[in-house]
Amino acid sequence: QVQLVESGGGVVQPGKSLRLSCAASGFTFSNYGMHWVRQAPGKGLEWVALIWYGGTDEDYAESVRGRFAISRDNSKNTLYLQIHNLRADDTAMYYCARDSAGLRGLDYNFDYWGRGTLVTVSS
Amino acid sequence: QSALTQPASVSGSPGQSITISCTGTSSDVGGHNYVSWYQQHPGRAPKLLIYDVTRRPSGVSNRFSASKSGNMASLTISGLQAEDEADYYCSSYTTVNTHILFGGGTKLTVL
Repeated sequence: QVQLVESGGGVVQPGKSLRLSCAASGFTFSNYGMHWVRQAPGKGLEWVALIWYGGTDEDYAESVRGRFAISRDNSKNTLYLQIHNLRADDTAMYYCARDSAGLRGLDYNFDYWGRGTLVTVSS
Repeated sequence: QSALTQPASVSGSPGQSITISCTGTSSDVGGHNYVSWYQQHPGRAPKLLIYDVTRRPSGVSNRFSASKSGNMASLTISGLQAEDEADYYCSSYTTVNTHILFGGGTKLTVL
């Protein structure tokens, strides 16, 4: 069965950097686009970033562009999110999610989600 | 760019039907069919309920249905059950910068 397991969250000081990971299993990871979605405590969902199945193209929400970097290692079935210059408003649960399109590209929906990893930015 | 607009809360009694609206613009909801809906129970990851405006993934109950008219999408839950009590989010591709928007979420209470 499809599994996505995030890791790398924790309590981090403002201005620091952090790398989140998402280990995928149960499907051919290299055939699917992937996303990061975050949810601040008690708030709604916010799409953060996407990367195409081959890793050749990516894009970001305007709110994180320039500070966040999404990447993937298809040989390790792992998705990453590098976050630089962390701010208090980056405090959130970060979910990785699979795009349903497969080799068709992107359908801009999320058919499988991990359980999330919590990032808390605090001094 | 602003999130899609959803009512903050809706409620209904067991067995009844409810509808949750999701209002956007011609750049997102009204401009294509990349509209989806998610259910999220407290402390859990979201779950895909509807994609491509009206399509249900396998395993999702046919009590969940959806539609779109103009810039507004709607999710209908029929035969309400206690387990349907959750937060519901709509999502849409947008041609404006952000690429994917979510609604603010609607809390469904089953009375």
